[in-house]
Amino acid sequence: DTGVSQDPRHKITKRGQNVTFRCDPISEHNRLYWYRQTLGQGPEFLTYFQNEAQLEKSRLLSDRFSAERPKGSFSTLEIQRTEQGDSAMYLCASSWPGPQYEQYFGPGTRLTVT
Amino acid sequence: GQQLNQSPQSMFIQEGEDVSMNCTSSSIFNTWLWYKQEPGEGPVLLIALYKAGELTSNGRLTAQFGITRKDSFLNISASIPSDVGIYFCAGQPYTGTASKLTFGTGTRLQVTL
Repeated sequence: DTGVSQDPRHKITKRGQNVTFRCDPISEHNRLYWYRQTLGQGPEFLTYFQNEAQLEKSRLLSDRFSAERPKGSFSTLEIQRTEQGDSAMYLCASSWPGPQYEQYFGPGTRLTVT
Repeated sequence: GQQLNQSPQSMFIQEGEDVSMNCTSSSIFNTWLWYKQEPGEGPVLLIALYKAGELTSNGRLTAQFGITRKDSFLNISASIPSDVGIYFCAGQPYTGTASKLTFGTGTRLQVTL
């Protein structure tokens, strides 16, 4: 078990560009979550998948954000027309289904929009 | 978005001292989790709590799920330099379909020799 992995670890982009992040969950975990963390704050929920179905989206997820999990394994998070306010750490987590509710996080992707 | 209230915001302690921190919410949670985060890394799960009143230990760490379901506590005994980091509580709201975690504002721990 190699844990949750995320790629890239760091991304610097110019305002207006599109970026895409990838998350590979722990194998056999069917739930996958995306969070965003800004400096000095705790992570904030963005969206959640069970298998390939996107079941919940936060109001934080504007129209410029889209997440997919096409085969129920890895997931991608795309941000279109990036803005400086998008600069943050984007965290991915995965969990088993069922009542034991433990989410395991990846190392995150640090996005800087210049 | 909503964040849980954690206190203290930061702590500076000497190696060997015990540490206590807590987390409060205005709403009920049916699961409490405690994570530790180091700079540039994702949160690492320390302890998970599933029942009101539950007391759970993981090495030098002990956490409790408050009876009211609106708070949780974390204690670290005999702190060591590698305990440095930011500690976050997180709760799952008490609804049938909620799966997201709501995080606290964090407690930054510094340990001096």
